[in-house]
Amino acid sequence: KAGVTQTPRYLIKTRGQQVTLSCSPISGHRSVSWYQQTPGQGLQFLFEYFSETQRNKGNFPGRFSGRQFSNSRSEMNVSTLELGDSALYLCASSPQWDTEAFFGQGTRLTVV
Amino acid sequence: DAKTTQPPSMDCAEGRAANLPCNHSTISGNEYVYWYRQIHSQGPQYIIHGLKNNETNEMASLIITEDRKSSTLILPHATLRDTAVYYCIVRVDNYGQNFVFGPGTRLSVLP
Repeated sequence: KAGVTQTPRYLIKTRGQQVTLSCSPISGHRSVSWYQQTPGQGLQFLFEYFSETQRNKGNFPGRFSGRQFSNSRSEMNVSTLELGDSALYLCASSPQWDTEAFFGQGTRLTVV
Repeated sequence: DAKTTQPPSMDCAEGRAANLPCNHSTISGNEYVYWYRQIHSQGPQYIIHGLKNNETNEMASLIITEDRKSSTLILPHATLRDTAVYYCIVRVDNYGQNFVFGPGTRLSVLP
């Protein structure tokens, strides 16, 4: 069974631009969550979607948003990029919303 | 969710058992203990989780003390590929996927 797939793997954007990252969960998984990992703050929860509904949201500004489609695939968007948004963005999927999560390899975003 | 405390780093000889401790003295009755690891620049990998009974799978064993205030992850025969940061997380299992990751323990398996 294929794992969680995130695209693209690497991305360079300019400050002020916006970016969309994509995540395809493991087949059959209905929950998708997103995390940001930086050297200074570590792994931080962004938000979680289950059956196209956002169930939980972390403490991030409104520039960070996401959505989930009917096939469980998810996207996250960051608008008005700042240098501090440079990070590894990780997506995880779960069969249900109360079980262990399986992570993808992440998208490394660099904002210049 | 309860807070966890882990040593920042540990070394282990290849082929020996690696015992990674985690303190979670404020754990509640409905909170599970999860372990993940992250090998450099990869996504975290699920290892094991448990509530109060000891658990074992193909990767590791999880020993939870009777009072549930601490636990130990055991890698029975550590290999160089087990070098990673190991995260102990405590969370309520019906509260969604918002795992709270601390700094973890950096395990170095030495040849």
